[in-house]
Amino acid sequence: RKEVEQDPGPFNVPEGATVAFNCTYSNSASQSFFWYRQDCRKEPKLLMSVYSSGNEDGRFTAQLNRASQYISLLIRDSKLSDSATYLCVVNREAGTALIFGKGTTLSVSS
Amino acid sequence: NAGVTQTPKFQVLKTGQSMTLQCAQDMNHNSMYWYRQDPGMGLRLIYYSASEGTTDKGEVPNGYNVSRLNKREFSLRLESAAPSQTSVYFCASSEAWDNHYEQYFGPGTRLTVT
Repeated sequence: RKEVEQDPGPFNVPEGATVAFNCTYSNSASQSFFWYRQDCRKEPKLLMSVYSSGNEDGRFTAQLNRASQYISLLIRDSKLSDSATYLCVVNREAGTALIFGKGTTLSVSS
Repeated sequence: NAGVTQTPKFQVLKTGQSMTLQCAQDMNHNSMYWYRQDPGMGLRLIYYSASEGTTDKGEVPNGYNVSRLNKREFSLRLESAAPSQTSVYFCASSEAWDNHYEQYFGPGTRLTVT
């Protein structure tokens, strides 16, 4: 099983749609979880950290399920500007490197 | 603040040539990283420097060397480039090696080895 797995997509949705991305991780000792966003031919940028209790930032909601080793990202009311690749990022355990998933591509159309 | 800067932005090398990719950050971060990104492979860590004066291998270090020149600068050297090293290289920095800190990435260097 890969350390961090994501559905590569692409997800093609109309403006205003709600879309959810899922990510699974293999190491139960993982402690830190993030979603990064990467625009085409650009560098990755932190979208949000993922906390155990779940967290929301505007239209974005992140959830963590430690028992199932599963992370999700929900985007509500999609905008054209949300079109990007979303990277699920996990660490193996404290003090080790971050592991990046291969990313899920989202395309929002008008 | 410029954040993380990388030079060059693009480079074409012939097999066997050497080159150094430069990275600098102006955020006073302790930790710096070099990644490569290949289609379908995601970002993979080549080397990292948890703090000034230390460097360690990441997931794919073979064929590369690094130097943490000072707190600001972290360079990546390809001694004898191979076509398998064709990739996009990203430098990143974070406040500390602790996993809870956000990593800030540079704009990348697109390297082609022919």
